[in-house]
Amino acid sequence: EAGVAQSPRYKIIEKRQSVAFWCNPISGHATLYWYQQILGQGPKLLIQFQNNGVVDDSQLPKDRFSAERLKGVDSTLKIQPAKLEDSAVYLCASSFSPGLVNEQFFGPGTRLTVL
Amino acid sequence: GENVEQHPSTLSVQEGDSAVIKCTYSDSASNYFPWYKQELGKGPQLIIDIRSNVGEKKDQRIAVTLNKTAKHFSLHITETQPEDSAVYFCAASGGGYQKVTFGTGTKLQVIP
Repeated sequence: EAGVAQSPRYKIIEKRQSVAFWCNPISGHATLYWYQQILGQGPKLLIQFQNNGVVDDSQLPKDRFSAERLKGVDSTLKIQPAKLEDSAVYLCASSFSPGLVNEQFFGPGTRLTVL
Repeated sequence: GENVEQHPSTLSVQEGDSAVIKCTYSDSASNYFPWYKQELGKGPQLIIDIRSNVGEKKDQRIAVTLNKTAKHFSLHITETQPEDSAVYFCAASGGGYQKVTFGTGTKLQVIP
């Protein structure tokens, strides 16, 4: 079974520039998550999708971050404009369905450096 | 919202010794407690989990205990091996959509 795919793996940009990350979850997984992991900290949930609908985006900085999951499969996370404090690893995860206790499968992450 | 505290932040043990990592959570509605292992350059991977109706669960060298009254849960690794070296995260999950809140992580180093 193929795992969660993310691209790019690394990205370096200057502050005020824009950047986008892509995630392809495990086939058949209804729930998709984007996490931000700052160095030395645990992952922090940014947004959670159930199919193509948002069920939690309470910690997403909506003035600069946006995410979409068209057709309930792939997802993109965008930052515009980026700030220095956005430097982190952005992790995508998927699970079979929410509302049930089940395992989240994580991708390898995209390491973003904002200069 | 949920708050998960994790201790210690770093832990060094000799190969063959046991390692214990402790976490506390704040939301009594949390009902699922996974533990993840994260190796350098990789995403977290589930190693064991426990549900709120169970007090203890074991899988080979790994065990997890849960005390719902104290809102406390722990990870125990016995007979540690160098390949156990990684960062370990506890987490708590609950609510209708099972939002997961992670602890701050424990960097475990197993010294050969």
